[in-house]
Amino acid sequence: DGGITQSPKYLFRKEGQNVTLSCEQNLNHDAMYWYRQDPGQGLRLIYYSQIVNDFQKGDIAEGYSVSREKKESFPLTVTSAQKNPTAFYLCASSISGFGSNEQFFGPGTRLTVL
Amino acid sequence: GENVEQHPSTLSVQEGDSAVIKCTYSDSASNYFPWYKQELGKRPQLIIDIRSNVGEKKDQRIAVTLNKTAKHFSLHITETQPEDSAVYFCAASGGTYKYIFGTGTRLKVLA
Repeated sequence: DGGITQSPKYLFRKEGQNVTLSCEQNLNHDAMYWYRQDPGQGLRLIYYSQIVNDFQKGDIAEGYSVSREKKESFPLTVTSAQKNPTAFYLCASSISGFGSNEQFFGPGTRLTVL
Repeated sequence: GENVEQHPSTLSVQEGDSAVIKCTYSDSASNYFPWYKQELGKRPQLIIDIRSNVGEKKDQRIAVTLNKTAKHFSLHITETQPEDSAVYFCAASGGTYKYIFGTGTRLKVLA
């Protein structure tokens, strides 16, 4: 293991609160991604970043925000505007966001709204 | 829009038997097809991938086949073992950052 880490492993949030999920990688990868995984569904892309200081919305960006101030870090904030945030969140990275490259996944954060 | 259909959603096989999981993609620009294995509560991990200039790729007990004309690709696991039990995801990528994932297949290998 190692290479790409996420914290915390479990997170509980009260309705109306914003929470931030951490994602760090030491693989020197340019591209980073956030996915949401719900039971019985595939992974859905929330946001992605191909280089530092740049990021783009994925398919389900509403209610989420990100930043990419450092190459190693790509934190995801789940805002109170996200109506159904309970899910398993996976961060991934790849050597480049251009061209088809293997994506390496972090261990995930399971977010539960109380 | 782009999508990847994956079948079956669940698959049970006896230990030692073969398992086949099939995916169909819609975007004809797709040229990279990875397969990920995800154990319960763990991260997805790449087990095999194939690019569009190849029709088949094998790695020990695992093989992937690609039919570009039909837009189908399949994962084949031979001599299944209990540790093969997991959820398997296929994905298709068209030369950009974006993967389109299938909905997953839960494989159970019965001892």
